[in-house]
This record gives sequence, structure tokens and C-alpha cells, in this order.
Amino acid sequence: LAKTTQPISMDSYEGQEVNITCSHNNIATNDYITWYQQFPSQGPRFIIQGYKTKVTNEVASLFIPADRKSSTLSLPRVSLSDTAVYYCLVGGIAGFQKLVFGTGTRLLVSP
Amino acid sequence: EAGVTQFPSHSVIEKGQTVTLRCDPISGHDNLYWYRRVMGKEIKFLLHFVKESKQDESGMPNNRFLAERTGGTYSTLKVQPAELEDSGVYFCASSQGGPRETEAFFGQGTRLTVV
Repeated sequence: LAKTTQPISMDSYEGQEVNITCSHNNIATNDYITWYQQFPSQGPRFIIQGYKTKVTNEVASLFIPADRKSSTLSLPRVSLSDTAVYYCLVGGIAGFQKLVFGTGTRLLVSP
Repeated sequence: EAGVTQFPSHSVIEKGQTVTLRCDPISGHDNLYWYRRVMGKEIKFLLHFVKESKQDESGMPNNRFLAERTGGTYSTLKVQPAELEDSGVYFCASSQGGPRETEAFFGQGTRLTVV
């Protein structure tokens, strides 16, 4: 399974857009890119998944360049409640393969 | 619809004792996973059930850990005897499975402290 690299931490303010970039240079042809969010004392929660180009849902957008060696999770207009750890994972469809978590990015949103 | 539930939420036991963690997946989910995070480390995969069968148990640390999934419903993870290094948070996750499956649903975890 491909290894991922993402920033250890990021700071932002309420109302700003936050972009978290993840590097996955060894991504395989059939790998998907999935992002999870984790609040303290809770289990990780699925945010978004994509294979290429752009994916958008009600929570976030995921941008994947043509070479797929990186991806960017975009959170529009963050609020205090978006303070959490965000994990970028690369692998098969979540339902079929074990998830390999890295260190994640700790996002702190301040007033 | 109920999510993935884990019991207990916290457990403190002495070294050498036995502890059993339970996970109730979302009803109808064939896939069930156990993960754990030990202090200061990343979340690590332990094993994967498909219904009642162990699909992948490559992450189980040693033979002190025993996982079962009775009738393909709830699952238990027993640690016997517990050691200090087993302390951490144990997460269970489930997913429905299928060609369009995209996400796994996690429980809130069981925090295990071995003293």
C-alpha cells in the first residue's frame, strides 16, 4: 500500500478555506485516495474519496492532479468544529481493503 | 440507524488479566475490522472479518490476541494475558462491501489501560 506524507499540523481561522495536501508518490493504478476526519475520543469518519480530477460533496472537495502523486483536501469556510485530525489514505476501495493510517494533519481552527 | 458500537468505552485492568472488547457493527455489514492506536503511534490495522471468517489477520500482534465473530454479527477481541504495551485505543469499523463500497464506519473506540 502506498505511503502518504502530509503536514503534521495546520492552523486556520473561522471562515477561511483550508487546503491540506497529501503526497503519495507510489500510488498504484487501482488505488483510490480517501480522507478521514477524527475528533478527540471518537473514531475516524469518512469525508471524501476520489480517483482522479475533482470530487465534491457537501463537506469538502478533493483535488487530484493528472499524475495522482498528490491530492488536496479543501475545506471551505472552516468553523471551530472542524478542528480535528485529517488523514489521507491511499489504497483500494475502503470496503475491501484494510486502511493504512499515517500520522494525519492536526487542524486547529481559531476564532 | 445505529452506528458501530463498542463496549466498554473504557477498561482498566492489571497486567496479566484478561479483557474482552466487543464490537457491534452496523446491521447488514459483512466486513468488520479491528484497529488500534497505542500511545503516540498511528492507528494500525489488526484484522478483518468477512461475515464470520477471518479474511486478514496480518496485523494481530501476537497470540495473546484472539478475535471472533459469532455468526457473522458482533465481534469480540480478547487479550489474554494483557501486557502493559497493550494499552491504547481499540477501534472497530464495519462496511457493507460490494463493488461500489467507499467507506468504513468506525465506532468510538475502547480505551484500554493496562497497569
